[in-house]
Amino acid sequence: AQSVTQLGSHVSVSEGALVLLRCNYSSSVPPYLFWYVQYPNQGLQLLLKYTSAATLVKGINGFEAEFKKSETSFHLTKPSAHMSDAAEYFCAVSDLDDYKLSFGAGTTVTVRA
Amino acid sequence: EAGVTQSPTHLIKTRGQQATLRCSPISGHTSVYWYQQALGLGLQFLLWYDEGEERNRGNFPPRFSGRQFPNYSSELNVNALELEDSALYLCASSLAEGLVQETQYFGPGTRLLVL
Repeated sequence: AQSVTQLGSHVSVSEGALVLLRCNYSSSVPPYLFWYVQYPNQGLQLLLKYTSAATLVKGINGFEAEFKKSETSFHLTKPSAHMSDAAEYFCAVSDLDDYKLSFGAGTTVTVRA
Repeated sequence: EAGVTQSPTHLIKTRGQQATLRCSPISGHTSVYWYQQALGLGLQFLLWYDEGEERNRGNFPPRFSGRQFPNYSSELNVNALELEDSALYLCASSLAEGLVQETQYFGPGTRLLVL
């Protein structure tokens, strides 16, 4: 079964600084990869997804992620953090022949003014 | 277009009772997924329904069960509640089976507290 590892349970950035959230997946076969965001007391919102069409994936709210097969990584970045980016971010993976999502442990982002 | 809706938003039960959680998918979506988000355990897959059938279940005991109705809405039932069942239960929906890359859209969740 697929799994993902998110490095760093908490990231603190200054407003305007780069946001970098790390995610590594376990399979040798490129799976489907997703980044979701969860704001306090809310459900999950899709930021972006990788489905093998392009290695650099652009999402909503200025986020993007790059799929690197050689590193089995799918790190999420945003060039300039905004206060509204404070939330918990989850990397998720699904197999090519499975439909359930396996989530990482999540990374909480705080943004300092 | 309405998103995934879940009811109730909060549910308080005592140990041993049964809880029923409901989910209405996005119009046109036939697959419904249930996930549990418990403190310290993260997000874990519970169940997947498509076209009224259970397609897959996660590593949860049989007292977690559910069903999908002809209108594709779904119910999650948790019997013989235990304290550790306290969690946020998230429902997601997606387009039909066979399109693996289809996005799962999540509802706001039902927060279950077992006392």
